[in-house]
Formats: sequence, structure tokens, C-alpha cells
Amino acid sequence: DAGITQSPRHKVTETGTPVTLRCHQTENHRYMYWYRQDPGHGLRLIHYSYGVKDTDKGEVSDGYSVSRSKTEDFLLTLESATSSQTSVYFCAISGAGQSDGELFFGEGSRLTVL
Amino acid sequence: EDQVTQSPEALRLQEGESSSLNCSYTVSGLRGLFWYRQDPGKGPEFLFTLYSAGEEKEKERLKATLTKKESFLHITAPKPEDSATYLCAVPPQGGSEKLVFGKGTKLTVNP
Repeated sequence: DAGITQSPRHKVTETGTPVTLRCHQTENHRYMYWYRQDPGHGLRLIHYSYGVKDTDKGEVSDGYSVSRSKTEDFLLTLESATSSQTSVYFCAISGAGQSDGELFFGEGSRLTVL
Repeated sequence: EDQVTQSPEALRLQEGESSSLNCSYTVSGLRGLFWYRQDPGKGPEFLFTLYSAGEEKEKERLKATLTKKESFLHITAPKPEDSATYLCAVPPQGGSEKLVFGKGTKLTVNP
């Protein structure tokens, strides 16, 4: 199994509070991704990173920011959580050196915003 | 605009009853089509990559095929442990950094 750890795995928070989800990899892969998965929408890309301090937006990036200060860590921040951000968040990594569509996913972080 | 459509949304089979799942796509200049399996409460797990029409890949009871407009995931003599949600994904024209996933087909195989 790919070495991907997400934390926290479960979080309940209130509207308006900041939330940070962490993804840690031990594979030294260049690409890291954050997806959210919701019923009726499937998996949607929030942000991705192609190297330290190199990030780009995905399909549903509004309300989210990311940071990658080390190869192994990719942080997803919700500056002011809203109920519409209640979801399951998955981190993924891909291909040593390139993005080839073969992603390895973490176990997910379930976020509930009340 | 959906670029990837999967059907059916859900499929129930009896053990040993073969069937197929469909993934149709509208991206031109396909740069690969990817199949994943997702178990409840888990992250998706990569199964196959297909790059060109006519290509086939097999893994145990699963066989994935690709045409110019769709891909099929054939399940031969399924077992209860094949129960999962199967996802397909394609990269849009911008490249494979931004995979677009279908909504999945939830397969249930009853013993």
C-alpha cells in the first residue's frame, strides 16, 4: 500500500471556524491532490500540487487553500468552514516524477460542518 | 458539462452472473481512461489504464475494454468480494493532473 496518511480522519466543526486537513506521504512522489467526494457528484478535484510550493486549482477550489512546504506534506485549509463543505476529503499522490492518472488515495477525512 | 458518464448507477448481481459496466466519455484526444474500485469507507484503488481503442486489460474476474467513445468493465462470474463502487476517470484536454471522475457504478454481488 502507498504510504499516505490523512489527518484527522473525522472532524466535526462549526460554521465559520478554520479547518486544516493534512496529507502526509512517505513515497516521495511529486504530485499530490485533494479531492472531495459527495453523493450525486462523485470525486471532484479541489487543488493539486506538482512540487514544493507549486500548486494549482481544480474544479471546486473556491473556499479552499493549500500549501506544500515539504515534499511529503500537503495541507488543505478551509479558512471559514461552511455547511456546503461537509464532505469526505481524499488526498492522493501519483507517479514518481510525473502525473500519469494512476493515483494512490488515502483513507479519507470525513468533515462535518454544523 | 459532464465529460464522463457511468451506467448503471447501481447493479445487483447474483454470484456467478456476468455483466458489464459502462463508462462513456466526451473528451476528444483521449489521453487515457482509468478504472478504479472503491470499497465503503475507503479511498479508491487503481485498477486499469487504457490508452487506445481496442485495448483490453484483465485482472482476475475483471476485463476492461475501450472504444472511441466508451469503456466497458466486464465482470465474469462475480463473487461477493467484487462488491464495490467502480469509478472511471479521464483527463480533460489540459492533461492528466486534473482527472475527471464519473459518479460511479455501485455493484452488489449477492451470494
